[in-house]
Amino acid sequence: DGGITQSPKYLFRKEGQNVTLSCEQNLNHDAMYWYRQDPGQGLRLIYYSQIVNDFQKGDIAEGYSVSREKKESFPLTVTSAQKNPTAFYLCASSATRQAHLHFGNGTRLTVT
Amino acid sequence: GESVGLHLPTLSVQEGDNSIINCAYSNSASDYFIWYKQESGKGPQFIIDIRSNMDKRQGQRVTVLLNKTVKHLSLQIAATQPGDSAVYFCAENRNNNDMRFGAGTRLTVKP
Repeated sequence: DGGITQSPKYLFRKEGQNVTLSCEQNLNHDAMYWYRQDPGQGLRLIYYSQIVNDFQKGDIAEGYSVSREKKESFPLTVTSAQKNPTAFYLCASSATRQAHLHFGNGTRLTVT
Repeated sequence: GESVGLHLPTLSVQEGDNSIINCAYSNSASDYFIWYKQESGKGPQFIIDIRSNMDKRQGQRVTVLLNKTVKHLSLQIAATQPGDSAVYFCAENRNNNDMRFGAGTRLTVKP
């Protein structure tokens, strides 16, 4: 089945450590996205990528980094510079500009 | 700030009634709008979409209405069922695949 795979589902880290969240898609979509969701809130855009080797910052890119070396992969690194990293992180992809997003089931990151 | 927002954070309806979830957007250049449903612990799922050259679109038990004059979007769910209980988000697609979401409305269906 085609879809978005995020791993792991739950991730625990100590403060001061960088951590990388995985996102893989087999839908052959050009565009990929990372969103952050805090409890009781909407989705805030961290980064998005329209094509391999290119990406743009969203509203809350500070403290995060991404890479897009392959079409099917868009990993997100949460760096120690991110002041409040504990959140639910969602990865998504879309085929074209006017197409809805396909989401993974998220990674819940807890930093203590 | 948020360019897409919802009028009500929670909505409670009786099973079998119709539900209406509202959304306001502020970017007049947005030309594509989507409604998503999110169940607890999962990623959002696509429900229905509408392009700016339309004002109404119907799916199975769902209808989306777009009023560009007042920058308003609504989702109507007919004969609401317990399985419809979830958080519903509207989203707008700005230029260059920049997709922004509202805060969400939690729909609770009472038996």
